[in-house]
Amino acid sequence: QKEVEQDPGPLSVPEGAIVSLNCTYSNSAFQYFMWYRQYSRKGPELLMYTYSSGNKEDGRFTAQVDKSSKYISLFIRDSQPSDSATYLCAMITSGTYKYIFGTGTRLKVLA
Amino acid sequence: GAVVSQHPSWVICKSGTSVKIECRSLDFQATTMFWYRQFPKQSLMLMATSNEGSKATYEQGVEKDKFLINHASLTLSTLTVTSAHPEDSSFYICSARLARVSYNEQFFGPGTRLTVL
Repeated sequence: QKEVEQDPGPLSVPEGAIVSLNCTYSNSAFQYFMWYRQYSRKGPELLMYTYSSGNKEDGRFTAQVDKSSKYISLFIRDSQPSDSATYLCAMITSGTYKYIFGTGTRLKVLA
Repeated sequence: GAVVSQHPSWVICKSGTSVKIECRSLDFQATTMFWYRQFPKQSLMLMATSNEGSKATYEQGVEKDKFLINHASLTLSTLTVTSAHPEDSSFYICSARLARVSYNEQFFGPGTRLTVL
């Protein structure tokens, strides 16, 4: 079993839709949870990070962490064609610096 | 702030040659840099952790004699793919660690696409 599981997609949605992206994990020691966006042939860019459980909102993006279920989500409201990219979740335990990445979900927002 | 650059962005080489990829932190000092490899439609796989002034730490299954890493300064790490073969063709991404109070954040470079003919 992988430490982090993420549906690779692709996920196609119409413009304006609410997108839900998810990851599950098995290591209960993970404490920091990140979401990265990666455009084709580019490096990942950090969208959001969350510590422990709870919600965090930034503009059209909301990150949720449910540590009891070992489940994290990223919601994108009012999705735009420019949101079309691969979204990677990443996790890290406190005091370490080795990120564990999910496989990434390819998202396509149709105009 | 916290910008990481990579050079070159794309390189094509013949089988058997060596290729050097540079990773620079432009506006901060990074004692630790990381090298990842990414195959099409797959996630980032950590290859090695590069510490300034010391030997790199390689992940299991990564040949240290094939992927030479040098972290000679606080802003530069290099990855040299020696005697490259077509199976080494991949997208190589570096990141630099910026230690924060809360967690160790990594900033990623734009990646280098290596094609070995």
